[in-house]
Amino acid sequence: VQLVESGGAVVRPGASLRLSCAASGFAFSSFPMHWVRQAPGRGLEWVAIISYGESDLYYADSVKGRFTISRDNSKDTLYLEMNSLRPEDTATYYCAREGNFYDTNGYPGVILFDSWGQGTLVTVSS
Amino acid sequence: QSALTQPASVSESPGQSITISCTGTSSDLGDYQYVSWFQQHPGKAPKLIIYDVSHRPSGVPNRFSGSKSGDTASLTISGLLAEDEGDYYCSAYTASSTRVLFGGGTKLTVL
Repeated sequence: VQLVESGGAVVRPGASLRLSCAASGFAFSSFPMHWVRQAPGRGLEWVAIISYGESDLYYADSVKGRFTISRDNSKDTLYLEMNSLRPEDTATYYCAREGNFYDTNGYPGVILFDSWGQGTLVTVSS
Repeated sequence: QSALTQPASVSESPGQSITISCTGTSSDLGDYQYVSWFQQHPGKAPKLIIYDVSHRPSGVPNRFSGSKSGDTASLTISGLLAEDEGDYYCSAYTASSTRVLFGGGTKLTVL
């Protein structure tokens, strides 16, 4: 499993940016995917999730209405479109896979988060 | 929705054991079993060490164990090694539209 983020940059407040996460080594279209960010010197913050079929999208309140998560299963790629960027959006952005397992009774379960990319840095500064 | 609550730091000597708590509310940790724990070293991506409260991914030493009681999940590391030093985060699914919560992180220092 490999996840490789790209697209991070230094931008001005109010700017837009699109991050990409190229997946390989697994059936990308079968897994929900997430974006998680980490501001410099701070903890992890969940950003967004997209289901494997793209029908279910959820966002953290801090990015709702400004960020859009999407995926292209034909290209094994996850995206994060970021608009109206603010200084507080400055962070390393990670894509992460939501894994799955079956318990001893055969019931499916969720693994948060079994694979991570190396991250891409977004800096929002005037 | 507030983050899950973890102690900011913990320290212990090599060979000893520590436990890190992760406290939520009935709408997250209380109702969901999908608690994960991550280890993060400086400048590196987080690494999954526990999933579904108490399961270890392959390759994670059995010195790492997880448990949950009510609204509090716990990570125990026994036989501490210098390489265990780093930041540890818990996470869990929630019943709200904020689907995932993280704890604030705990810095482990192995003295």
